[in-house]
Amino acid sequence: GAVVSQHPSRVICKSGTSVKIECRSLDFQATTMFWYRQFPKKSLMLMATSNEGSKATYEQGVEKDKFLINHASLTLSTLTVTSAHPEDSSFYICSASRLAGPYEQYFGPGTRLTVT
Amino acid sequence: AQKITQTQPGMFVQEKEAVTLDCTYDTSDQSYGLFWYKQPSSGEMIFLIYQGSYDEQNATEGRYSLNFQKARKSANLVISASQLGDSAMYFCAMRVSGGSNYKLTFGKGTLLTVNP
Repeated sequence: GAVVSQHPSRVICKSGTSVKIECRSLDFQATTMFWYRQFPKKSLMLMATSNEGSKATYEQGVEKDKFLINHASLTLSTLTVTSAHPEDSSFYICSASRLAGPYEQYFGPGTRLTVT
Repeated sequence: AQKITQTQPGMFVQEKEAVTLDCTYDTSDQSYGLFWYKQPSSGEMIFLIYQGSYDEQNATEGRYSLNFQKARKSANLVISASQLGDSAMYFCAMRVSGGSNYKLTFGKGTLLTVNP
């Protein structure tokens, strides 16, 4: 149990376009989903936390208008990178947390975004 | 603020031997959780083991055990009988209880290489 999927696994887009990444909890209800960004050989950096049905909480320094997060249901959250630029190229990972404790986060396989 | 420190950027171990990956943490909270995740080259974050701050016994999960020393604020991961498939990045993370969202703070990671 506790499987989280992400789609797409890899995406290449042109500068100026928008890209949507989906994160789904396949076999459990996730009250909270998290979006991380990871640069090569670096640790995970939390971008935002989203709770189903409410607005996402962004970490300091993360542009809300650039990284749009929607958590429409207990099994789906989406991250849209708007007007992408080469500096947005990165590995984006989502995680989902169950309603019940100990609240460990189950991670998706990640999405490799390359902006040309 | 919470902080996780992993002082070993890289570690090498011979197959079938045991290895300890260091992790120290800093928090003023009394209730917290400590996690270890494995990230192979594919990028997926794999949950390994969890230790709660009030747990009196060290957590164990198969070949993984967590050497929890609360007074020293350390939560080292011990991998016994290393296998070639254990080669990966390992991240220590801390979750602080309380508040509406259970965010994780990650260390910088340790790259473990298992030699045949």
